[in-house]
Amino acid sequence: ETGVTQTPRHLVMGMTNKKSLKCEQHLGHNAMYWYKQSAKKPLELMFVYSLEERVENNSVPSRFSPECPNSSHLFLHLHTLQPEDSALYLCASSQGGDRVGETQYFGPGTRLLVL
Amino acid sequence: AQSVTQLGSHVSVSEGALVLLRCNYSSSVPPYLFWYVQYPNQGLQLLLKYTSAATLVKGINGFEAEFKKSETSFHLTKPSAHMSDAAEYFCAVSVYNQGGKLIFGQGTELSVKP
Repeated sequence: ETGVTQTPRHLVMGMTNKKSLKCEQHLGHNAMYWYKQSAKKPLELMFVYSLEERVENNSVPSRFSPECPNSSHLFLHLHTLQPEDSALYLCASSQGGDRVGETQYFGPGTRLLVL
Repeated sequence: AQSVTQLGSHVSVSEGALVLLRCNYSSSVPPYLFWYVQYPNQGLQLLLKYTSAATLVKGINGFEAEFKKSETSFHLTKPSAHMSDAAEYFCAVSVYNQGGKLIFGQGTELSVKP
């Protein structure tokens, strides 16, 4: 595997379910990010981890819970979601931690549908 | 605060025609600027990046962008559109004093007609 991978690619869940999204980067990077991409809206940064510590939480509801066990893996745990949470969730990584100007490399995303 | 504005949510060109996608930024300090492309059902792929080394930046797939400080612009161009260029394009600025955070524009969808 190369680059940034995400699993699953598609997920359908009910509002009472608990699920997790997984992201893995094979680039040796030190920072990882979760973004939400909704139709007709700009990308929304959700969380930033640098050297496995959370450095940004962009006022995301508590029904989204991130986890970064090591610098290569990032999870997004989901519970009691709402239909408006349906979106494409993108993971990204960058080399130099959370420094300005760092290029972010994106995974293919998980398309989430909440029924 | 830094921000990015992309003019035109949808641009349509004929195959072989010039592609011009507009991006204006606001920043009180020299910015780092990016163009990303997103093909259907895929993540974002870096097209090119401005880091102040040169005002004309060449990227992948024949795209280039010119940084114009006086106009606070970083427009993306390609001399001759190809059908495979149909995608959504995002301009982004790296935010100072907020680590590696990127602020994205709202995106421009490019259609290419045969």
